[in-house]
Amino acid sequence: KNEVEQSPQNLTAQEGEFITINCSYSVGISALHWLQQHPGGGIVSLFMLSSGKKKHGRLIATINIQEKHSSLHITASHPRDSAVYICAVGYNFGNEKLTFGTGTRLTIIP
Amino acid sequence: GAVVSQHPSWVICKSGTSVKIECRSLDFQATTMFWYRQFPKQSLMLMATSNEGSKATYEQGVEKDKFLINHASLTLSTLTVTSAHPEDSSFYICSASPPAGGGRAYNEQFFGPGTRLTVL
Repeated sequence: KNEVEQSPQNLTAQEGEFITINCSYSVGISALHWLQQHPGGGIVSLFMLSSGKKKHGRLIATINIQEKHSSLHITASHPRDSAVYICAVGYNFGNEKLTFGTGTRLTIIP
Repeated sequence: GAVVSQHPSWVICKSGTSVKIECRSLDFQATTMFWYRQFPKQSLMLMATSNEGSKATYEQGVEKDKFLINHASLTLSTLTVTSAHPEDSSFYICSASPPAGGGRAYNEQFFGPGTRLTVL
């Protein structure tokens, strides 16, 4: 069974700080997703990656397949980045079932 | 980007009644849709996988007779919570997965905004 662990569970930082959220998984995967969930509950897909690095605006996601580890970075953090960030992995090409981490609650203080 | 909608966004019902939640892919055809449930301060838990034109596949512990799923078309899947009870109160989220190709990869999923169900 694939386990997905995120750290930290909670993170509070000052506006402008560089943020890193980590995700580790236990077995080989086909793809890893980073999701953002705001207090209202809606989920936004930030990244899907299976190797290397992706960047979108102030967000950067990296994955190390050998180490079974991914990181989500936020540069120049802003209060609007406050949300729960969820790592999810798919481990079967063509079968898109995801296993979710428990999430990291990020709070950015102005 | 691809958009998935859910309706209603929230619903309050009496115990024993049935509630239907719709999930629509607005600008793409979804061969597969997934239904998740999320309890407060917990992560999403997959309930079932829905493929257009075939029966849904339910995860272990999810009662298929209680949570009826119908994937009637390539853009619509419905989840009906039958004889709802207070313990069914939760946040229900769907996601839709288009077929690979056209610039889209396998494993790509687009999530709906969720439906908050409260059973009194």
